[in-house]
This record gives sequence, structure tokens and C-alpha cells, in this order.
Amino acid sequence: KAGVTQTPRYLIKTRGQQVTLSCSPISGHRSVSWYQQTPGQGLQFLFEYFSETQRNKGNFPGRFSGRQFSNSRSEMNVSTLELGDSALYLCASNTMGPGELFFGEGSRLTVL
Amino acid sequence: DQQVKQNSPSLSVQEGRISILNCDYTNSMFDYFLWYKKYPAEGPTFLISISSIKDKNEDGRFTVFLNKSAKHLSLHIVPSQPGDSAVYFCAASVDFGNEKLTFGTGTRLTIIP
Repeated sequence: KAGVTQTPRYLIKTRGQQVTLSCSPISGHRSVSWYQQTPGQGLQFLFEYFSETQRNKGNFPGRFSGRQFSNSRSEMNVSTLELGDSALYLCASNTMGPGELFFGEGSRLTVL
Repeated sequence: DQQVKQNSPSLSVQEGRISILNCDYTNSMFDYFLWYKKYPAEGPTFLISISSIKDKNEDGRFTVFLNKSAKHLSLHIVPSQPGDSAVYFCAASVDFGNEKLTFGTGTRLTIIP
């Protein structure tokens, strides 16, 4: 069974640009969550989607947005990039069991 | 405001000995707790969890203890093995089935052969 797949794995952008990250969950998983990992901050919850609906949202500015498609694949977008957006963005999916999220390897974003 | 705190950024333990990783939380609404392990260049993987109705959960070499009155939980690994070297994250949620997890900042565990 394929795991959670995130693309791209690495990317470099400049301030002011926007970026779109993609996540394909494990087959059969309908919930997709996004987390940001930065040094010293741990993993911070961005948002969670289930059946194309955002069910939960973390404390991030409106520049961070996401969506989920009918096949459960998800994308997140960050507009007007800032240096502080440099981070590892992790996607996770699950279908059962509280908190037993299955994470992808992440997309490492560097903003110059 | 860090609601889940892992105050030890790093820990080194001899192979075969016990590793104890600690985690404190401030939000009394948390009622489900998890530990994740993360290797470099990989996503975190689920290790073990505990509900607030329990004070201990065991899975092989891994045991998690919860002290609700102290708002403290710990992960014990016995015996420690070189493959246990990784970053360990403590996480919490406010209810069973809630995918919004609040993570600590992680503890890097190094097992010395």
C-alpha cells in the first residue's frame, strides 16, 4: 500500500511569490491534515480536510489556504511568501483511530 | 503559547539502558496523547498513544505514562536500541477522533552503542 505522497519534495522561492504544495493520501483515507515544522517550533497545525470540507483550521494568516478534491488529494497554497514561511510542510492522512496520522516525507520550502 | 512542552531538546542514552522522554502540557482540555518518532528526511511515524482515562499504556519496549494531576506524560523505552535514535514528538488532542494535534518541539534521542 503506497504511503502519503507529497510533491514537490524541495523548492526554493523568493519573497512575494506564491507556492502550491500537493498531497496524495493513502488510498481509502479521506481525512488530510497539513502541518508546518520549523526549528524550535515543532509541528504546528495548519488545517484539516475531510470529504472536500475544511473541518479544522490552525492559527495561521489567510495567506495559507488549502483545498481537497473529490479523490481526497489535497493542495495547500501560500501566497505572498515571507522569509518566515521557510519550513518543512507535512501532510498527513488517516481513516480511523484518533490522532493516528500517517505522514508524508514533507515538502521543504526555502524562501529567499 | 506552547501548550505542549518538551523541555529537553536532546538526550543521550547507552544502548540497553532505559530512555525516558518527558512532556508537559498546560491545556486541561487535552484528553488524548500520542508519541511520534521522526527520522531525518522522513515524516513522523506514530509510536504509541494513551487516553486520559488511563495512566499507562504499553506496547513492546515502549510504555507511556500519564499523570493528569501534574499534566505530565513520559515515554519509556526499554531496552534502548541504536535504531531508536530519532527525534521524538509528544502530541495531544482535545478529543478522541480530532485530527488537530498540538505537538511539542521534540527531543532528539541518541543511543550510544
